[in-house]
Amino acid sequence: SAVISQKPSRDICQRGTSLTIQCQVDSQVTMMFWYRQQPGQSLTLIATANQGSEATYESGFVIDKFPISRPNLTFSTLTVSNMSPEDSSIYLCSVRRGQGNYGYTFGSGTRLTVV
Amino acid sequence: DQQVKQNSPSLSVQEGRISILNCDYTNSMFDYFLWYKKYPAEGPTFLISISSIKDKNEDGRFTVFLNKSAKHLSLHIVPSQPGDSAVYFCATFQGGSEKLVFGKGTKLTVNP
Repeated sequence: SAVISQKPSRDICQRGTSLTIQCQVDSQVTMMFWYRQQPGQSLTLIATANQGSEATYESGFVIDKFPISRPNLTFSTLTVSNMSPEDSSIYLCSVRRGQGNYGYTFGSGTRLTVV
Repeated sequence: DQQVKQNSPSLSVQEGRISILNCDYTNSMFDYFLWYKKYPAEGPTFLISISSIKDKNEDGRFTVFLNKSAKHLSLHIVPSQPGDSAVYFCATFQGGSEKLVFGKGTKLTVNP
């Protein structure tokens, strides 16, 4: 199954600034998924990123706030823009676990604190 | 509106005993369920899954039971070990898509 390197692992940011999170996968994957886990909440899907096309955003998430890049089949970035304290969460990227296997492999997560 | 519900935010058990983690879902069309384990500062890792054509799936110390009529599944860990202490999430696929939806998780603490 795929191995994902995600960075940064954590950051403390000032409100109004932006942070870009990177995910590198050790094999080519068609779709990458970006999740958010707010304190005490479940993992919530932000968007699905396909190589060569615009990301597909879930209800409640917009491209201006969470722009995503997917320049090739092994890499993606998620930017959290114009941050506010409400954006303090863990952000995770994910890819599907191998051919024919349901379920997904996750990066180690980025713990973001906005002050 | 939560599609997958884990109503117990935490569970504490003694080492060697059974841990039972519960999950309820709202849509009878959901046909595949997964359990993930998450340690602090790490991403979730896949633990075990079950298809709706089965009512039980076992992998070592971990067994998942599915009760379709009750729209309920449970994860049994026997015997529990201190290294099992983590947050456990149940998940399913949303509306036949490849998108996973998760419960809020249950924090399991196994005491030595």
